[in-house]
Amino acid sequence: QVQLVQSGAEVKKPGASVKVSCKASGYTFINYYIHWVRQAPGQGLEWMGWINPRSGGANSAQRFQGRVTLTRDTSINTAYMELNRLRSDDTAVYFCARRADWYYGLDVWGQGTTVTVSS
Amino acid sequence: SYVLAQPPSVSVAPGQTAKITCGGNNIESKSVHWYQQKPGQAPMLVIYDDRDRPSGIPDQFSGSHSGNTATLTISRVEGGDEADYYCQVWDSSGDLWVFGGGTKLTVL
Repeated sequence: QVQLVQSGAEVKKPGASVKVSCKASGYTFINYYIHWVRQAPGQGLEWMGWINPRSGGANSAQRFQGRVTLTRDTSINTAYMELNRLRSDDTAVYFCARRADWYYGLDVWGQGTTVTVSS
Repeated sequence: SYVLAQPPSVSVAPGQTAKITCGGNNIESKSVHWYQQKPGQAPMLVIYDDRDRPSGIPDQFSGSHSGNTATLTISRVEGGDEADYYCQVWDSSGDLWVFGGGTKLTVL
């Protein structure tokens, strides 16, 4: 079945970096954009950006530009989100999600990765 | 940046109908998608393109779009429908995805 499986929870210190992976299975990886969405504790969903697995092209929300890097490895059907210069308010659950092929919604989601930033 | 407004909470008795709204500037020109998120789980798409249901989503869930407001309607509400619901659009001007603040549905 179609699924996205993310890497495990991370604990980081302020100023460090974190890299979260998202492995796709059950479909042709390069045919669907992967998006990243985060959710701080008790808060709503916040869109971070997308990557086109076919070309490697990416786009991110302005507030993350310069701090987030979206990449992929097509040989292992995996997308990555790296966030640098972590702050305490980056503590959140990070989700990857697949953009549907004919509409601008997100039809398949990973299980989420908890990132805790604490000194 | 584009902003979507949702009521923070909606309450409804079991068996009744819940309506959750989503407002935004010129939203009538955009396609609206809706997600359900239960505690500790990833969001799940329940409505796409204003009113279409993905495979496996019951017809209890429906969507509509009129003027500056999109609405998610949940009929015959039961306890298992308690969740947070989010609307989402694609803002073509900046190629950005935007989520509403979310609405917590409580079944009384």
